[in-house]
Amino acid sequence: DGGITQSPKYLFRKEGQNVTLSCEQNLNHDAMYWYRQDPGQGLRLIYYSQIVNDFQKGDIAEGYSVSREKKESFPLTVTSAQKNPTAFYLCASIPGGGHTEAFFGQGTRLTVV
Amino acid sequence: AQSVTQPDIHITVSEGASLELRCNYSYGATPYLFWYVQSPGQGLQLLLKYFSGDTLVQGIKGFEAEFKRSQSSFNLRKPSVHWSDAAEYFCASSGGSYIPTFGRGTSLIVHP
Repeated sequence: DGGITQSPKYLFRKEGQNVTLSCEQNLNHDAMYWYRQDPGQGLRLIYYSQIVNDFQKGDIAEGYSVSREKKESFPLTVTSAQKNPTAFYLCASIPGGGHTEAFFGQGTRLTVV
Repeated sequence: AQSVTQPDIHITVSEGASLELRCNYSYGATPYLFWYVQSPGQGLQLLLKYFSGDTLVQGIKGFEAEFKRSQSSFNLRKPSVHWSDAAEYFCASSGGSYIPTFGRGTSLIVHP
């Protein structure tokens, strides 16, 4: 079945560590997005990529990094520079070329311990 | 820049009652509008979308929404709520940038 897979579902990070969240899609979508979700704040855009080997900062990119070496993969690294990383992270993808709905993964909950 | 406002953080309804969740958008041209639903700890699922044409759109699970340009609104409705509808609901839009912008969400609580 086609879809978006995020892993792991739960992730624990010690302060000062970098961690990488995986996002893989087999929908052949061009565009991929990372959102951060905090209670009462909706979804805030971290990074997005509309084509392979290119990505752009979203509204809250500080402390995060991404890569887009393959069409199907868009990993997110939460670096030690992100001071408040505990949150629910959602990856989404959209077919290229027009306005249509986003397809979401099941999310990764990151907790700093 | 486009923006989406959901003025209600929480909505409580009794099972069987009707529901309306409010959404206002800010975008100069005709927006592309969406409603998504999220169960706890899960991703978002599309309920319905509006691109153009008929301003009343039907979605899954018995939901509908009406686009009103004069009010910059895209409110979600359901005539009779079921306990399984309890979830977080997000309104979203995408304008010229093809980047989805989301409201902060409305949490629906259903009383038996």
